[in-house]
Formats: sequence, structure tokens, C-alpha cells
Amino acid sequence: NAGVTQTPKFQVLKTGQSMTLQCAQDMNHNSMYWYRQDPGMGLRLIYYSASEGTTDKGEVPNGYNVSRLNKREFSLRLESAAPSQTSVYFCASSRESSYNEQFFGPGTRLTVL
Amino acid sequence: AQTVTQSQPEMSVQEAETVTLSCTYDTSESDYYLFWYKQPPSRQMILVIRQEAYKQQNATENRFSVNFQKAAKSFSLKISDSQLGDAAMYFCAYRAHSGAGSYQLTFGKGTKLSVIP
Repeated sequence: NAGVTQTPKFQVLKTGQSMTLQCAQDMNHNSMYWYRQDPGMGLRLIYYSASEGTTDKGEVPNGYNVSRLNKREFSLRLESAAPSQTSVYFCASSRESSYNEQFFGPGTRLTVL
Repeated sequence: AQTVTQSQPEMSVQEAETVTLSCTYDTSESDYYLFWYKQPPSRQMILVIRQEAYKQQNATENRFSVNFQKAAKSFSLKISDSQLGDAAMYFCAYRAHSGAGSYQLTFGKGTKLSVIP
């Protein structure tokens, strides 16, 4: 039972390049999330998927797109990376209820030069 | 919009002593959930404790307990018998009970806790 996995763990991009961050969970959770964490800040929600086939914007969605590929997988795409997107990205999953814990992946450290 | 404030960027505690981390939040909702997450140097986010707003009793998990003051919108974390492994960033987080905001965890900026041997 791996929980929430993310690939890659580290990535360096040049401004304007594109890339996709991958996330998968094996806990049969319906809801999945993408957060970013900047220095001196807590995590901020980029996008979430309440259930398979649906996605919604969070607090900071500009510059990102997401795909809920199936129940297990939720990817985050940067179409044209900018230095302001340098951050640590976390994927999380949970059952539907607000009370339920969100389980986090190990994070991806992304640097955009 | 909900906001979560952690006013102590850094704290330190002697090993085996007790420390309290502060958190205040702002919301117009009456029903919601509050969480404390721990982030050690490994970066992994780990749930420490959670509180349902409609429960008056403060949550407790082993050495970790909270002081939940709903009227004051305060949610502090007390760590008793501090251990070296408690050294980490601690984040307070809020989640609405229902509606569109119920999917979002709103985090504070965190408190870095150091444990002195």
C-alpha cells in the first residue's frame, strides 16, 4: 500500500518549457488535490477533483491545467513554465467527507530558471 | 474567504517540556473542521490532530492536545513531553463542513518548532 505517489521528485525547467506532474493513489479515494508550497507560506490549493470526471479551480489555478485520468490518477500540467511557478508541489487524496484526512504525497520540488 | 493565522514563525522547547503553538482563524461558518499538520524535514505532511467545530470537547492524541475556543476562533496545539522527533514545521488548517469550500484546506503559514536536547 504505497498511499499517494508523485513523480518526479525534482525537476528543473527553463522558462517557457512545459511539463506534467504525475500523481497516483491506491486508497480508492474519490477526491484528489494539487497544492503548492512556497517559502514562508502554507500550502495553497491549485485544483481539485471531487470525483472521477470532475475538476475545479482552487485558490491559485492560473498557469496550470489538470486531468483526472481515472480514479487513481490526477495530473498537473504547466503549459509554459514561469519563474513564479518555482515551488514544491503536493498531491493529496481523501474520501469525500470534510472530516476525512487528506493524505499527502512526498512532493515535487520544481525550479523554473 | 477564510483565513488562518499562525503568529509564531518559530518556537523552541526543551526536550521533555511542554509547548503550545497558536492558531487563529476567521470564518462566517458555524460548522467546520480544524487540523494540525506536521511537516518534518522530509517534507511529508502528516496529520497530527483534528477537531470538529460542533464538538465542545477538545481533541487529544497521545502527547498532542488542542485548546479549541470557538467564540474566540482560536485553535492552539499543546505538545507535552516534547521529543526530538517533534522538531518540524507545524501547520494549522481549516476546512468548511459543506459547500464548494469544503474541498479546500486553508493553511496558516506555519510555525517552525525546534526541540533542544
